[in-house]
Amino acid sequence: GDSVTQMEGPVTLSEEAFLTINCTYTATGYPSLFWYVQYPGEGLQLLLKATKADDKGSNKGFEATYRKETTSFHLEKGSVQVSDSAVYFCALSDLQTGANNLFFGTGTRLTVIP
Amino acid sequence: DGGITQSPKYLFRKEGQNVTLSCEQNLNHDAMYWYRQDPGQGLRLIYYSQIVNDFQKGDIAEGYSVSREKKESFPLTVTSAQKNPTAFYLCASSTDQVASYEQYFGPGTRLTVT
Repeated sequence: GDSVTQMEGPVTLSEEAFLTINCTYTATGYPSLFWYVQYPGEGLQLLLKATKADDKGSNKGFEATYRKETTSFHLEKGSVQVSDSAVYFCALSDLQTGANNLFFGTGTRLTVIP
Repeated sequence: DGGITQSPKYLFRKEGQNVTLSCEQNLNHDAMYWYRQDPGQGLRLIYYSQIVNDFQKGDIAEGYSVSREKKESFPLTVTSAQKNPTAFYLCASSTDQVASYEQYFGPGTRLTVT
């Protein structure tokens, strides 16, 4: 079945450090891939997405590239800020298993210290 | 502004009582979803609805019920049969277009049952 495995946290970085959060997936079809962010006490917000292999999603300085050969969608940011502190979720949707359903990873908590 | 509203933000109930969580969207989305989030875990799908008057069980539907009488509304009832109801509940919606399967989330309701 479809699943997402993400790097376990928590992750603590100093401001302006480089961020990588690893995400790998298993899917039966051709999934779309997403990164969502959850700030404390709030719902999830879509951060970026990629719908086919080699696509790069980007937003707010974050990037992730859909790598079919390694079944990965790692999240990166060159210089994190304190305001990036949140929980990040990797997710996929798979046309073959019900396109409207998302499969989520367990989330990675990021804390950025000044 | 278009979006998803969930109310209330915090809800407290005694064990053995049913409780209904509200979810309303004005995005004109066809599909709506309910997820449960527990500490340190990803989101788990409870129920989803792709169209009015129709809904399907997700991965953890036992002890929950839903209705979809209007396109804008998808209330979730947590029944007394749910053994561990204390959690953060998130509602989401999405269009039914082939090109996009991203989901838009509400702010969540934190339910505490004692």
